[in-house]
Amino acid sequence: EVQLVESGGGLVQPGRSLKLSCVASGFTFSNYGMNWIRQAPGKGLEWVAYISSGSSYIYYAETVKGRFTISRDNAKNTLYLQMTSLRSEDTALYYCARGWESWGQGVMVTVSS
Amino acid sequence: DVVMTQTPPSLSVAIGQSVSISCKSSQSLVASDKNTYLNWLLQSPGRSPKRLIYQVSKLDSGVPDRFSGSGSEKDFTLKISRVEAEDLGVYYCLQGTHLPRTFGGGTKLELK
Repeated sequence: EVQLVESGGGLVQPGRSLKLSCVASGFTFSNYGMNWIRQAPGKGLEWVAYISSGSSYIYYAETVKGRFTISRDNAKNTLYLQMTSLRSEDTALYYCARGWESWGQGVMVTVSS
Repeated sequence: DVVMTQTPPSLSVAIGQSVSISCKSSQSLVASDKNTYLNWLLQSPGRSPKRLIYQVSKLDSGVPDRFSGSGSEKDFTLKISRVEAEDLGVYYCLQGTHLPRTFGGGTKLELK
């Protein structure tokens, strides 16, 4: 069974940093591209970033480009999202997804002073 | 960016009724490999999104055949025949052809 478990969220002040993790199990992690997607409270879905299976291809939404960094460690079956210079508008539930077909349960990030 | 416009924003249905949701893109979603990367997802209340359909009309494993997708280029439709209680939630279309990937605004399916 495919499982994706996010962690690392919490309350953080504007301008600070946070690193999210997503541990994968139940499939060969190194074979799949991975996405981060977020959902602000009461709002729709917003794609954040993508990384290919071997990290050769990385793409970001303009809203996070230059502030967020997606990465992965295939030996640890783990996907990361390093978030810096956080803003109130980054407050959201962050999901990792294998492609688009399998999603984690999400981790909440709240940016507030 | 490709704008995905979903209509209607909400639908009130009775169990057993059939419904359709429209998703229109601002650009053609036909990719250079000739595939069309249009997905439909359902987010049930309090749950993570779940993909139902990919490449316009292909059902994900375990998705009932009451769900069907159709369309081409810029105009797509999700049809649910004989709505069941478990189908309630917010439906999103998602294009995977162009960067950045973009979602429709969602269609909330509620019980009448």
